[in-house]
Amino acid sequence: DTEVTQTPKHLVMGMTNKKSLKCEQHMGHRAMYWYKQKAKKPPELMFVYSYEKLSINESVPSRFSPECPNSSLLNLHLHALQPEDSALYLCASSQGLLAGAYNEQFFGPGTRLTVL
Amino acid sequence: EDQVTQSPEALRLQEGESSSLNCSYTVSGLRGLFWYRQDPGKGPEFLFTLYSAGEEKEKERLKATLTKKESFLHITAPKPEDSATYLCAVRETSGSRLTFGEGTQLTVNP
Repeated sequence: DTEVTQTPKHLVMGMTNKKSLKCEQHMGHRAMYWYKQKAKKPPELMFVYSYEKLSINESVPSRFSPECPNSSLLNLHLHALQPEDSALYLCASSQGLLAGAYNEQFFGPGTRLTVL
Repeated sequence: EDQVTQSPEALRLQEGESSSLNCSYTVSGLRGLFWYRQDPGKGPEFLFTLYSAGEEKEKERLKATLTKKESFLHITAPKPEDSATYLCAVRETSGSRLTFGEGTQLTVNP
């Protein structure tokens, strides 16, 4: 099973709202990722978690707050977003970040976020 | 800094017309070149990983090859359902990030 699930599929929020995106995988992967993708552009890395600890933060604004409650779950908490934050938000997972680990990243279907 | 360049940006084929997509890369040390397929509004779907020059992998009508400077994704006798954006990404030896190319948008007409 190479499935990563994401909820919700679509989200519309105002600039003062607080919402969360959720991601789940049951492949036993120890690395999980959040990406942002704008139309006709490749995915852009936001955060990487390795063994439930934040490993990489690509200088993402604090209005995006990641959380990894356990090895299967990854959340992205959203607060006071701007209209330019509207995008497809993708979650991915891979076996790990270590040199010997297979590093194919498996992506979820994404959450289409619209900020009004 | 890692660089990945995909060409062409867009490719339109007739059903059954074979062709190739190119991914040129510059990394200090390659620890994997990855091909993904992405349909509009969906997440990228993993296709292949290539690790060393000379390696080839096949899946249905797709065949990926790797040299020291580039990778090709060959599409043999494509069908309309092969229409998608194909993304290439590399991971360098010392890092954990993927560097993506801009993608090739493939359209296969019936």
